[in-house]
Amino acid sequence: DAMVIQNPRYQVTQFGKPVTLSCSQTLNHNVMYWYQQKSSQAPKLLFHYYDKDFNNEADTPDNFQSRRPNTSFCFLDIRSPGLGDAAMYLCATSRLRGGTYNEQFFGPGTRLTVL
Amino acid sequence: GQQLNQSPQSMFIQEGEDVSMNCTSSSIFNTWLWYKQEPGEGPVLLIALYKAGELTSNGRLTAQFGITRKDSFLNISASIPSDVGIYFCAGQWASYDKVIFGPGTSLSVIP
Repeated sequence: DAMVIQNPRYQVTQFGKPVTLSCSQTLNHNVMYWYQQKSSQAPKLLFHYYDKDFNNEADTPDNFQSRRPNTSFCFLDIRSPGLGDAAMYLCATSRLRGGTYNEQFFGPGTRLTVL
Repeated sequence: GQQLNQSPQSMFIQEGEDVSMNCTSSSIFNTWLWYKQEPGEGPVLLIALYKAGELTSNGRLTAQFGITRKDSFLNISASIPSDVGIYFCAGQWASYDKVIFGPGTSLSVIP
């Protein structure tokens, strides 16, 4: 089945220790997104890639970076995690085609704990 | 900026009851999406709406795209325990725009 896969599902890191979360997709979608979701809140968009074009949200801290080496994979790097970065991180994909239809499909998420 | 409101914020209902929740916006959207999120999982797309007035069903779920394009509602008929979760509405102006999420409606079903 075509899907969005996130690894690991649970990640524990120490305060200030860099961490990388990964996302892969078999949907061949051209757009990939990273969201941060804190408890009882809606997902908050951090950035997205449209093919190789990177689009950062204005309020995304510099501490968060992303890489998309190819269509299938996208990584979220947190350079110096703080306690406030503990959250669920969601990857999503969509296929932007001809200006219509842009449903986003989400992965299961990675729950990040910062000690 | 664009903002979505969802009501109610939470619901506790008896199994077998019908559920109705809605989503309103301060601005117009051209796409409305309804997602369900279970604890520890990512949101799952339930229904997508693309046209004002459109009514779409997916099993026991029915959603409508409001005629003003500023609202949408989701109905669940004959609720069952596995309907438990948080239901997010989301709106989008154009396909290349980011999706704006509502704050969610938490649904609990009492067996």
